[in-house]
Amino acid sequence: AQTVTQSQPEMSVQEAETVTLSCTYDTSENNYYLFWYKQPPSRQMILVIRQEAYKQQNATENRFSVNFQKAAKSFSLKISDSQLGDTAMYFCAFYNAGNMLTFGGGTRLMVKP
Amino acid sequence: GEEVAQTPKHLVRGEGQKAKLYCAPIKGHSYVFWYQQVLKNEFKFLISFQNENVFDETGMPKERFSAKCLPNSPCSLEIQATKLEDSAVYFCASSQFATGVLEAFFGQGTRLTVV
Repeated sequence: AQTVTQSQPEMSVQEAETVTLSCTYDTSENNYYLFWYKQPPSRQMILVIRQEAYKQQNATENRFSVNFQKAAKSFSLKISDSQLGDTAMYFCAFYNAGNMLTFGGGTRLMVKP
Repeated sequence: GEEVAQTPKHLVRGEGQKAKLYCAPIKGHSYVFWYQQVLKNEFKFLISFQNENVFDETGMPKERFSAKCLPNSPCSLEIQATKLEDSAVYFCASSQFATGVLEAFFGQGTRLTVV
């Protein structure tokens, strides 16, 4: 069974600064996908970024980028130039051919003005 | 449609009543998932479908929970005899391989309150 661990329950960052959210996972699979989802107070789940495990290049989506370390089973999210609208819960998720999306426990991010 | 549609957005039930939630996956998506998110934000996997077939139901409390995905109908999650601890937001997600890239799309959730 896969497990996903987010070791930071809460984090805060000043507006315009950079913050990194940690995520580690455990799997015996070789082909899988990793995601970061954002959940604002509205509770909507918004896909922020995804990474295919077979790709060595780290995914980037505007101000969001990941540091994917396959051997270490680590998948951190870096948010650059943080904005007030980035305040939300962030969930790391793992998805494989078994078709079950496994979530970490979430990190609550507060962006301070 | 191009989004996962969940109805209703809010549902209030008295303890012991039945609750039924609906999810219309994105057209062309073969996989549907149901998750329960309780107040402490933890996501609990309930069940997944590949088309109309149950793929994985290891998370389902079988004595009161049931789910279906029938052709040409929204998928449904039904809770018989609701309990207070069933109060949560229930998310549905759908996915499909497309050009080798996999992405799970979530609906906006149904907030179930059992009183």
